[in-house]
Amino acid sequence: GAVVSQHPSWVICKSGTSVKIECRSLDFQATTMFWYRQFPKQSLMLMATSNEGSKATYEQGVEKDKFLINHASLTLSTLTVTSAHPEDSSFYICSARGPGQGNTEAFFGQGTRLTVV
Amino acid sequence: LAKTTQPISMDSYEGQEVNITCSHNNIATNDYITWYQQFPSQGPRFIIQGYKTKVTNEVASLFIPADRKSSTLSLPRVSLSDTAVYYCLVGALTDKLIFGTGTRLQVFP
Repeated sequence: GAVVSQHPSWVICKSGTSVKIECRSLDFQATTMFWYRQFPKQSLMLMATSNEGSKATYEQGVEKDKFLINHASLTLSTLTVTSAHPEDSSFYICSARGPGQGNTEAFFGQGTRLTVV
Repeated sequence: LAKTTQPISMDSYEGQEVNITCSHNNIATNDYITWYQQFPSQGPRFIIQGYKTKVTNEVASLFIPADRKSSTLSLPRVSLSDTAVYYCLVGALTDKLIFGTGTRLQVFP
């Protein structure tokens, strides 16, 4: 199946700094990417949906100025956590879908563990 | 998007068949039923998808009754490596994927 790669797999940052997480579709063009956050023992929570070349659509309660999403190309989307705080520590997961692909082919990255100290 | 209800957790032993049922009473005509598996600290992995009746692939079967208000994921002869969280999602193929609480399956030796 198609491969979606996230980088980094884990990151530790100091409170107040910003962290960028990359999500790449390696062998298909991802017209739509989804970003999720998952706290321990909880389900995935959708943060935002991004379509290539347009602004991301954020879910209710997700601060768009804090979680900056850029989907500038068909193979790369980035999530930047700005001014990170300990409560932003979580597991962040991206998912990518290509043109004409239904949810049968929504592929997920391996996730990024963010720890803010 | 149809709301789903699954058991919070299930236990099984190696070699047994495991059936996880998902309720989705307000499923819409265009909605499909998709199951994902997630291991700790990994992204979800697609298992199976169906619209009605029965679907089978190399890892699982999906049973969907005629009214489509529920579905059952069947894992034949589970092993320790099947210990994971299983999510049932219901929605149209182009919908965003909204995850419910999932079912935590623990397989014992």
